[in-house]
Amino acid sequence: KAGVTQTPRYLIKTRGQQVTLSCSPISGHRSVSWYQQTPGQGLQFLFEYFSETQRNKGNFPGRFSGRQFSNSRSEMNVSTLELGDSALYLCASSPGTVNYGYTFGSGTRLTVV
Amino acid sequence: GEDVEQSLFLSVREGDSSVINCTYTDSSSTYLYWYKQEPGAGLQLLTYIFSNMDMKQDQRLTVLLNKKDKHLSLRIADTQTGDSAIYFCAGAPNTGFQKLVFGTGTRLLVSP
Repeated sequence: KAGVTQTPRYLIKTRGQQVTLSCSPISGHRSVSWYQQTPGQGLQFLFEYFSETQRNKGNFPGRFSGRQFSNSRSEMNVSTLELGDSALYLCASSPGTVNYGYTFGSGTRLTVV
Repeated sequence: GEDVEQSLFLSVREGDSSVINCTYTDSSSTYLYWYKQEPGAGLQLLTYIFSNMDMKQDQRLTVLLNKKDKHLSLRIADTQTGDSAIYFCAGAPNTGFQKLVFGTGTRLLVSP
């Protein structure tokens, strides 16, 4: 079956702009999580959605937001981009009701210039 | 909150066994995972272990869990050059499964 699909793969944005990243989970998976990966901070949890509801949120400013649609696809948005937002953004999906691990997408590489 | 630590680097020869170590602070972590990341790629789930287990074997992979010392290890038998990657351990704190806390990652280099 198809894996987790993230689009786009690469993005270059200017400081102050906003960006929207998309994630399509594995068919049947209802939970989508987002992580930010940077060389300095490593992998950090952003938020998790299950059946269109945000169940958990990490310690990121309000500029980072997300949502999940009825088909479980999820988007995350970053407004007023800063240079420090440059990172690999990873999306992960799971059934949401059992915890046999999350399946990750290949990520979106965001560069803010 | 949860804190997970790993050694940064491990170098082995092809055919040897590799052991990657991880320590965590949250004893309530119910599930513990090992992920592999190759350059330019996402994270690949290798294996996981429940906190009520001491050991799990999956082909070339063996996971050992010492709950008393909060220590997790991943042993890769007969390490191949294709195993060169960054390996992350991760814990799911509390009884929820809503987020993972990752270690800093161990870069494994396998030389021929």
